[in-house]
Amino acid sequence: NAGVMQNPRHLVRRRGQEARLRCSPMKGHSHVYWYRQLPEEGLKFMVYLQKENIIDESGMPKERFSAEFPKEGPSILRIQQVVRGDSAAYFCASSPPTTGTYEQYFGPGTRLTVT
Amino acid sequence: DAKTTQPNSMESNEEEPVHLPCNHSTISGTDYIHWYRQLPSQGPEYVIHGLTSNVNNRMASLAIAEDRKSSTLILHRATLRDAAVYYCILRRYNTDKLIFGTGTRLQVFP
Repeated sequence: NAGVMQNPRHLVRRRGQEARLRCSPMKGHSHVYWYRQLPEEGLKFMVYLQKENIIDESGMPKERFSAEFPKEGPSILRIQQVVRGDSAAYFCASSPPTTGTYEQYFGPGTRLTVT
Repeated sequence: DAKTTQPNSMESNEEEPVHLPCNHSTISGTDYIHWYRQLPSQGPEYVIHGLTSNVNNRMASLAIAEDRKSSTLILHRATLRDAAVYYCILRRYNTDKLIFGTGTRLQVFP
């Protein structure tokens, strides 16, 4: 059973461009979470999605950031008009469909560099 | 969300036991204690979780104080591969997000 997959692993964008980060959850997992880790800082929750629904986006910046998890295909975190402050590691995690205390399984992350 | 307090860093020698403490004095009755770790340049990895009783798995043991205001993650025999940042997280039952603090950076020496 493959783990959580993220691509690309490294992404370089110039200021003002768009960044698209993809996350494929583990097989059978229908819950996806996105976290951001700024350099030398801890991970911060961004958004929690289930298939075709955003459940909790309390950690998402109000502008330029959006996330989706369509019925088919990976979850996408989209950052429009990137700025240098968006440079960070973005981690996706997934968990099984039942709620409770189940652990989250993390992907290897996408390291975004804005030049 | 209830807060946790951990030492910034700890050191250990290889093959020795390591006890990583965590204080959570404002824990509520429905908060589970989760531990994750993050190896260099990798995503976090689940280690163990518990509610009231001590827990063991293949990776570690979790000792929870009787009043639940503190807990200790125990690595029975540290290896070089255990060098990581260890996060103690309180997660309310049926909630989604994990709230990461600054964690404890564990160094393991050969």
